[in-house]
Amino acid sequence: GQQLNQSPQSMFIQEGEDVSMNCTSSSIFNTWLWYKQEPGEGPVLLIALYKAGELTSNGRLTAQFGITRKDSFLNISASIPSDVGIYFCAGEVRDNDMRFGAGTRLTVKP
Amino acid sequence: DSGVTQTPKHLITATGQRVTLRCSPRSGDLSVYWYQQSLDQGLQFLIQYYNGEERAKGNILERFSAQQFPDLHSELNLSSLELGDSALYFCASSPGGREGTQYFGPGTRLLVL
Repeated sequence: GQQLNQSPQSMFIQEGEDVSMNCTSSSIFNTWLWYKQEPGEGPVLLIALYKAGELTSNGRLTAQFGITRKDSFLNISASIPSDVGIYFCAGEVRDNDMRFGAGTRLTVKP
Repeated sequence: DSGVTQTPKHLITATGQRVTLRCSPRSGDLSVYWYQQSLDQGLQFLIQYYNGEERAKGNILERFSAQQFPDLHSELNLSSLELGDSALYFCASSPGGREGTQYFGPGTRLLVL
């Protein structure tokens, strides 16, 4: 129901390549968030999306809030080695009720 | 730096023991969340407090408990520890109300031997 399906689970890419990952659900979300977690650290907020159709960029990162409010994607352009980490999507079902995806583990080969 | 602080950063203890993890939310945030993350796993939501009151409960074991104090800091108490409790424990905070964006602390790494 309100679970998030995040894909892919992992990605191995060459430096300079573009990356795309997404989260989908059968439920409607009011907010979509994307976090990055590096080993041994807490997740860091990358992009927050608050309106259906919203497209937001943060440097080489671009994320969109799906029109149906049931999905979101995150793109990383021209990847670099420091992009390595686990990327989590999170969706807010209702006020303060946030669900997290299982994460996409990104490996970038120099 | 998210503004959320957690102590201690590392904790090593033995099975059967009890530990307390502490979290101070960002200035002005009323909501505090606790998560458990086992090795190479996702974030498992444990519990949420809002302005001192329990707001939501996730997959929190009965051996675990939490509270939020009047100054809004929160503590997570883990008792009768088992080997499987070894994990990273994260605290996150949000303003509360209609603003639910969560900001995470650096985590406490718990190792139960």
